[in-house]
Amino acid sequence: GQNIDQPTEMTATEGAIVQINCTYQTSGFNGLFWYQQHAGEAPTFLSYNVLDGLEEKGRFSSFLSRSKGYSYLLLKELQMKDSASYLCASSGGSYIPTFGRGTSLIVHP
Amino acid sequence: IAGITQAPTSQILAAGRRMTLRCTQDMRHNAMYWYRQDLGLGLRLIHYSNTAGTTGKGEVPDGYSVSRANTDDFPLTLASAVPSQTSVYFCASSARAGDEQFFGPGTRLTVL
Repeated sequence: GQNIDQPTEMTATEGAIVQINCTYQTSGFNGLFWYQQHAGEAPTFLSYNVLDGLEEKGRFSSFLSRSKGYSYLLLKELQMKDSASYLCASSGGSYIPTFGRGTSLIVHP
Repeated sequence: IAGITQAPTSQILAAGRRMTLRCTQDMRHNAMYWYRQDLGLGLRLIHYSNTAGTTGKGEVPDGYSVSRANTDDFPLTLASAVPSQTSVYFCASSARAGDEQFFGPGTRLTVL
């Protein structure tokens, strides 16, 4: 089975750094995805981690620790447009991802 | 078109009616998925298809059926709609099962 946990809501200031955590319990783990979803829109892919460590992609980075069942998404130099929901999803033995309930990030001036 | 499309954009439906939500992708992706998204519950998988001709049940399949007659199309049918099926429905595709998913714009369905 699979179980994904992430905080419901976070707030941060424009220009700051924010870390969104995700813990998972996944049988036959095959990878961890992060998606961004703006209100009223479809989710869009941000990152994928299958090996331990940090993957950096511009202002966004994603980290994975398979032994701890833990990932985080790091957003640097926050902008107002980063206000969105961030979805963590783990892929198990069936290669079908299970999504967490999402973390709503509010960036204020 | 380039990507994945869904129709209709929104629909209000009387309980008991039959409804088919359409999904088409032109990326030649093998895998396709249907999710529903409800406030506070996140994305929940309804049905999926790893390749044309095969389908599988997700987390919440009851009351829904799918078919995958070809690579491009993956329709979702509600045989007899109930109010609890009021939701936003997203179709998604990936090159293969386990790859990053590309989502359609969604269908907002209200069952009265």
